[in-house]
Amino acid sequence: GQQLNQSPQSMFIQEGEDVSMNCTSSSIFNTWLWYKQDPGEGPVLLIALYKAGELTSNGRLTAQFGITRKDSFLNISASIPSDVGIYFCAGYDTGTASKLTFGTGTRLQVTL
Amino acid sequence: DTGVSQDPRHKITKRGQNVTFRCDPISEHNRLYWYRQTLGQGPEFLTYFQNEAQLEKSRLLSDRFSAERPKGSFSTLEIQRTEQGDSAMYLCASSPGYANTEAFFGQGTRLTVV
Repeated sequence: GQQLNQSPQSMFIQEGEDVSMNCTSSSIFNTWLWYKQDPGEGPVLLIALYKAGELTSNGRLTAQFGITRKDSFLNISASIPSDVGIYFCAGYDTGTASKLTFGTGTRLQVTL
Repeated sequence: DTGVSQDPRHKITKRGQNVTFRCDPISEHNRLYWYRQTLGQGPEFLTYFQNEAQLEKSRLLSDRFSAERPKGSFSTLEIQRTEQGDSAMYLCASSPGYANTEAFFGQGTRLTVV
């Protein structure tokens, strides 16, 4: 099935550093969602974005809905060890409003 | 806890056996989704229900797979004659009954076919 492209695939960062990741699509999306998944668990919703250009924060997390509606960005400030996990973007495109398409994931590992 | 609940969390079965998984969505949510996730990949859409109606099925959902949501509440996903390629995490999610909204996932059922 179709998946969104996420970058980077994985990253090692030091505790306290800021993190940026992005997600791109070949089609226009109506909604962008960002999830975090820990090993053996289901994805947990972090942030939802509904309008092009929208910037939304949730604690140390900030996400943006790209103005082209084909991309989205997630930033994590001052990373801590519990930020370790896989981050997925997901979205509803204009042709498939009934189902979420997921990205390939960004694996975040934090070194102390 | 009023989140999405899935049962069982883990299932090991022999090839050729049938398995059934259950999902209880968030109570006020009309939409229920099933996804499959293999190692290193993002979740892939299988099917979704609006209340009790199954409105869309992915090509990933072969004829060995069947999903039901008989009263518009909980849902079951059955896999008949399991194959090793069916080994994956099966995720259920629910959302309010309108398009383009937040979807909340359960903890998943990890299926291993030996």
